[in-house]
Amino acid sequence: GAGVSQTPSNKVTEKGKYVELRCDPISGHTALYWYRQSLGQGPEFLIYFQGTGAADDSGLPNDRFFAVRPEGSVSTLKIQRTERGDSAVYLCASSSRGGRSYNEQFFGPGTRLTVL
Amino acid sequence: AQSVTQLGSHVSVSEGALVLLRCNYSSSVPPYLFWYVQYPNQGLQLLLKYTSAATLVKGINGFEAEFKKSETSFHLTKPSAHMSDAAEYFCAVSDSTGNQFYFGTGTSLTVIP
Repeated sequence: GAGVSQTPSNKVTEKGKYVELRCDPISGHTALYWYRQSLGQGPEFLIYFQGTGAADDSGLPNDRFFAVRPEGSVSTLKIQRTERGDSAVYLCASSSRGGRSYNEQFFGPGTRLTVL
Repeated sequence: AQSVTQLGSHVSVSEGALVLLRCNYSSSVPPYLFWYVQYPNQGLQLLLKYTSAATLVKGINGFEAEFKKSETSFHLTKPSAHMSDAAEYFCAVSDSTGNQFYFGTGTSLTVIP
């Protein structure tokens, strides 16, 4: 089946604008994760969903960042009043089961966000 | 707190030579450890993982890694580099749930023909 997909692949916006980044996880995967990867750095955890609810949002840098997963499948990462420092690749991953036991995370190709 | 340190942001090897990418971890609990590879414009792909079973872990594409608790290390090796191994490699650590990964800063591997 298809892997994790993310749209758009590239997004260029201006400082102060609002953006939405979309993630389609692997079908049937209940757990979904967002990461941010800045240039020259490893991915940095943002938020983790188990089903529709955010089980851990401790990685969101501030209240400009918000993510939803209303039906337990597709997720949208929303960034308000974008700043140049938000420029990064935003990665999404999904796994078949989060919670108490380990399951491999499958990553999407990412969305490259550039804030001018 | 959990973290990983990857020594060497850039490693160059000749085709056919040994590949050694270093990773040291810090964890207050028994860790799960991973190596991921990232090819240009592609997502992260799992190479191998350590989840407290055998300390020598074999992965895809001929890579392997050995968990050494005494050295808090999980170095990635491959006996003979191939041109197709050129990529960015990330070491990561998580707790037993795998819900939150902590990635290293990555090592860019160049293979010289």
